Amino acid sequence: GNSVTQMEGPVTLSEEAFLTINCTYTATGYPSLFWYVQYPGEGLQLLLKATKADDKGSNKGFEATYRKETTSFHLEKGSVQVSDSAVYFCALNSPYTGANSKLTFGKGITLSVRP
Amino acid sequence: DGGITQSPKYLFRKEGQNVTLSCEQNLNHDAMYWYRQDPGQGLRLIYYSQIVNDFQKGDIAEGYSVSREKKESFPLTVTSAQKNPTAFYLCASSGLAGVETQYFGPGTRLLVL
Repeated sequence: GNSVTQMEGPVTLSEEAFLTINCTYTATGYPSLFWYVQYPGEGLQLLLKATKADDKGSNKGFEATYRKETTSFHLEKGSVQVSDSAVYFCALNSPYTGANSKLTFGKGITLSVRP
Repeated sequence: DGGITQSPKYLFRKEGQNVTLSCEQNLNHDAMYWYRQDPGQGLRLIYYSQIVNDFQKGDIAEGYSVSREKKESFPLTVTSAQKNPTAFYLCASSGLAGVETQYFGPGTRLLVL
């Protein structure tokens, strides 16, 4: 079946540090890949996505590249801010017969950024 | 403004009681979903619906029930059969054309008295 594995957390960084959050996946077919972010006490917001191999998703300074050869979708940001403190989820959407598909989530990782 | 609303924000359940969580969307999405979030476990799918009057069980449907009488609404009932209901519940919706992004509501936190 489909699965998403995220690196163990939590992660604590100083402001302006470089961020990498690892995500690898197992899926049938050709999934689409997503990063969602959850701020404290809120629902999930889509951060970025990529729908085919070698696509790069980007938003708010975050980037992730769909690497089919390594089945990975690592999230990066060059300079984190305190406001980036949140929980980050990697997810995949693997279409099957029919019009829609279900998301499979990783366990999430908590990022804390110190001033 | 288009979006997904969930109510209430906090809900308390007594032993043996059924409670219903509301989810409404005005995005004109066909598909709607309910997820349960527990600390350190990510999100797990409870039920989903692709069309009015039809829904499918997800990975952890036991102890829950849903209905989809209107396109905009997908309420979730946590029944007394759900022995460990304390969690954060998230509703989402998406279109059905190809690969569609799921959009999430703000969530309902359910606590047991």
